[in-house]
Amino acid sequence: EVQLVESGGGLVQPGGSLRLSCAASGFTFSSYWMSWVRQAPGKGLEWVANIKQDGSEKYYVDSVKGRFTISRDNAKNSLYLQMNSLRAEDTAVYYCARGGAGPNFHFDLWGRGTLVTVSS
Amino acid sequence: SYVLTQPPSVSVAPGKTARITCGGNNIGSKSVHWYQQKPGQAPVLVIYYDSDRPSGIPERFSGSNSGNTATLTISRVEAGDEADYYCQVWDSSSGAVFGGGTKLTVL
Repeated sequence: EVQLVESGGGLVQPGGSLRLSCAASGFTFSSYWMSWVRQAPGKGLEWVANIKQDGSEKYYVDSVKGRFTISRDNAKNSLYLQMNSLRAEDTAVYYCARGGAGPNFHFDLWGRGTLVTVSS
Repeated sequence: SYVLTQPPSVSVAPGKTARITCGGNNIGSKSVHWYQQKPGQAPVLVIYYDSDRPSGIPERFSGSNSGNTATLTISRVEAGDEADYYCQVWDSSSGAVFGGGTKLTVL
């Protein structure tokens, strides 16, 4: 089955760190750009970061630059998001999403998301 | 940064046609993608490259894009179409940009 499954969310204090994972299956993971997209409670979708097939290019939304790092391990069919210096405004459901062969494709496959709560 | 503007809500009676707009500066020069999100679920792609439908999406869903407005049209609306809908484009300076979302209510 073609799917993405996120994990690693939870409750963390402001200033803390968390590492999210996304396990891909049912398709050739190494052929696609991958992204993280988040959704704060009751709010809309916000793209967070994306990464090229071989990991050589990475792009971030301004609000997370210098704090979040996207990475991937094609041998393990996995995508990661290392989140440091977390803030209350980072509280959201984080979705892993499949892009395409280029950086600006649509997101045609989404995981179910993992909730990150930043609170003391 | 590039901004996409959607109406917060659209209401339509069953069997009628719903039109959800997405406004942006010269959006007609960009490719627009649309997503449907039902409560507690992940988004689902319903239209890509302005007007293409993924497999499994009913023909009732269609899209257009010109000038400063892109439009998602849902014909013969059903109760199951009730959801939030988001438009999305790619911008060279902002990355992926989503509209604020439109809540479609089926009366």
